[in-house]
Amino acid sequence: SQQGEEDPQALSIQEGENATMNCSYKTSINNLQWYRQNSGRGLVHLILIRSNEREKHSGRLRVTLDTSKKSSSLLITASRAADTASYFCATDRGNNNDMRFGAGTRLTVKP
Amino acid sequence: KAGVTQTPRYLIKTRGQQVTLSCSPISGHRSVSWYQQTPGQGLQFLFEYFSETQRNKGNFPGRFSGRQFSNSRSEMNVSTLELGDSALYLCASSLQGGHGYTFGSGTRLTVV
Repeated sequence: SQQGEEDPQALSIQEGENATMNCSYKTSINNLQWYRQNSGRGLVHLILIRSNEREKHSGRLRVTLDTSKKSSSLLITASRAADTASYFCATDRGNNNDMRFGAGTRLTVKP
Repeated sequence: KAGVTQTPRYLIKTRGQQVTLSCSPISGHRSVSWYQQTPGQGLQFLFEYFSETQRNKGNFPGRFSGRQFSNSRSEMNVSTLELGDSALYLCASSLQGGHGYTFGSGTRLTVV
C-alpha cells in the first residue's frame, strides 16, 4: 500500500512560474524524501527532510514538513522546461527501511 | 562512480513463463530494494535486502521472490507470469537503507 499521497495529480505551468506540490502521509516517519522521474526512467533523489526539520532548501527547491498535519510540500521556483517530470514523495517509517511512495504529481512546464 | 545497473532494460515474456531480473548496486551499498511501477498502482514496494538477508517484504504474492549475493548484487524472480505483471521494475540501492537511495533505470517487463 502507498504511504504518501501527492496533490495535485497533474500540474501545468509556464516557464518561470513557481510550482508547488503537496504530499500527505498516514503514519509517523523518520524522514521524507522527494524524487523526480523523467518519463519511464529511474527516480532521482532530490531532497531529504528529517522529521525534526521544518524546512529545507536545495537550489531552486524548497521543502517544508509539518509532522502535526502529516504533510509536506515541494516548491520549485523559476521553473524550467527541463523540470517537466513526475515528482514523488517517499516516507521512511524506520522499520527495516521500508520506503513507501505516493502516486506522484505530473508536472509539465511549458516553454 | 558507476550507478545502479539493471539488466535487461526491456523484456517480453509470455504468460506462464518465469523471469529473472538483475540489479547491481553502487559499490559499497549493502541495501537493495525493489519496486514495481504501473500506471494504475504507482510505485509498489516489493522487498528490501541487506547483507544477503531479506529485511522487509511488500504485499505481493509468493510468485515474486528475490535474493542478494555476497557482492550485494540482487536478483528478483517472478514465476508463472500474468498479464498484470507487466510493469517497470525498479531497483534502488543505499548504504544502509532508509534514505539516500539511488535508483537504476529499471527493467520494462511486458507479459503477452
